[in-house]
Amino acid sequence: EDQVTQSPEALRLQEGESSSLNCSYTVSGLRGLFWYRQDPGKGPEFLFTLYSAGEEKEKERLKATLTKKESFLHITAPKPEDSATYLCAVQIISNFGNEKLTFGTGTRLTIIP
Amino acid sequence: KAGVTQTPRYLIKTRGQQVTLSCSPISGHRSVSWYQQTPGQGLQFLFEYFSETQRNKGNFPGRFSGRQFSNSRSEMNVSTLELGDSALYLCASSLYPGTSEKLFFGSGTQLSVL
Repeated sequence: EDQVTQSPEALRLQEGESSSLNCSYTVSGLRGLFWYRQDPGKGPEFLFTLYSAGEEKEKERLKATLTKKESFLHITAPKPEDSATYLCAVQIISNFGNEKLTFGTGTRLTIIP
Repeated sequence: KAGVTQTPRYLIKTRGQQVTLSCSPISGHRSVSWYQQTPGQGLQFLFEYFSETQRNKGNFPGRFSGRQFSNSRSEMNVSTLELGDSALYLCASSLYPGTSEKLFFGSGTQLSVL
């Protein structure tokens, strides 16, 4: 069965304290891996797409990397506004023969001023 | 450019009732997907519509159904509500079907079943 596991479930960091979030996956035929950010009371907001092992994408203080079995979201010198839940999703082929996204349950990140 | 709009924002129903949720995609987007989000299960895919046709479906019972109109607006319906249907229902739109295009999510409808 296709699985996406994110760790840790929650992470509290001091402002400026860098860290990494993990997304490990067990899927057959990965087509792509997505990172989203979700603020309380809002829907997820797209951050990155990664398609092949070794690929990296950066945006401000965030950098996403991909290996054959997991992805990391590195947060460098975070600020309080980076506090959110970060969701990882993998793109697989559904029983209909079409692509669908399978999401992890997310990492709730809190940055303390 | 207006984002994805979902109505209503909050909804309270009792077991056995049915509910209809509405989603207006970003102008020009023709693909609409629906997801259920709960604290324990995370986001789970319900179905995807493109050009008024359901092109993809998740593993939910037949009580969950949807449709898309010619203006790309979409509705989802849940009949015979159960307590476990309490969740945040999210709609997402994209230009084209399939998830190689990034999704734009609405803020969701929070459904509480009592």
